[in-house]
Amino acid sequence: QQQVKQSPQSLIVQKGGISIINCAYENTAFDYFPWYQQFPGKGPALLIAIRPDVSEKKEGRFTISFNKSAKQFSLHIMDSQPGDSATYFCAAGSYIPTFGRGTSLIVHP
Amino acid sequence: GAGVSQTPSNKVTEKGKYVELRCDPISGHTALYWYRQSLGQGPEFLIYFQGTGAADDSGLPNDRFFAVRPEGSVSTLKIQRTERGDSAVYLCASSLTGADSDTQYFGPGTRLTVL
Repeated sequence: QQQVKQSPQSLIVQKGGISIINCAYENTAFDYFPWYQQFPGKGPALLIAIRPDVSEKKEGRFTISFNKSAKQFSLHIMDSQPGDSATYFCAAGSYIPTFGRGTSLIVHP
Repeated sequence: GAGVSQTPSNKVTEKGKYVELRCDPISGHTALYWYRQSLGQGPEFLIYFQGTGAADDSGLPNDRFFAVRPEGSVSTLKIQRTERGDSAVYLCASSLTGADSDTQYFGPGTRLTVL
């Protein structure tokens, strides 16, 4: 039973473009929604996170948009750079997050 | 400062063997987590320690899996009678207090291959 559904599975964008990754959750008890970035051979690293009491959070080029009624949230990467090429995971929960399956992002120079 | 470290980085074993995977959390972090990440999947929760005690072991798939943290720092994940389906990357994470939304810092993982 997949509690957090993530799409797309893979994404290719050009340098300077916008990368958008979407997630949907089922459990309305979830109250914390982090995004993680993972490079090959490394563990995931927290990128940005949001609580359901706000609809948007921005940190630099990274923005989370949150739609509580639709139980959906998304990550937007503005001005995507080749260094952003990595796998991105959304998650939902609190002290023990439930992860999505990940999105492999490739940013072409 | 040093991050979370895990040893070994790679472990190859034969079906039926016993393995131990070690995690050294960030110094001072009271909460420690183990996850399993299969190819093409997100991390899947296994067990959470608060200090020396297992606060939540609901993610352990069966009784072949066991973890300890005897002194509240280093943790060892133990897998008995390994099966090919146990092959995955085992990730460890730690956080300062384990409180709600406390940032978890992940180690690089141990890649376990069961032949």
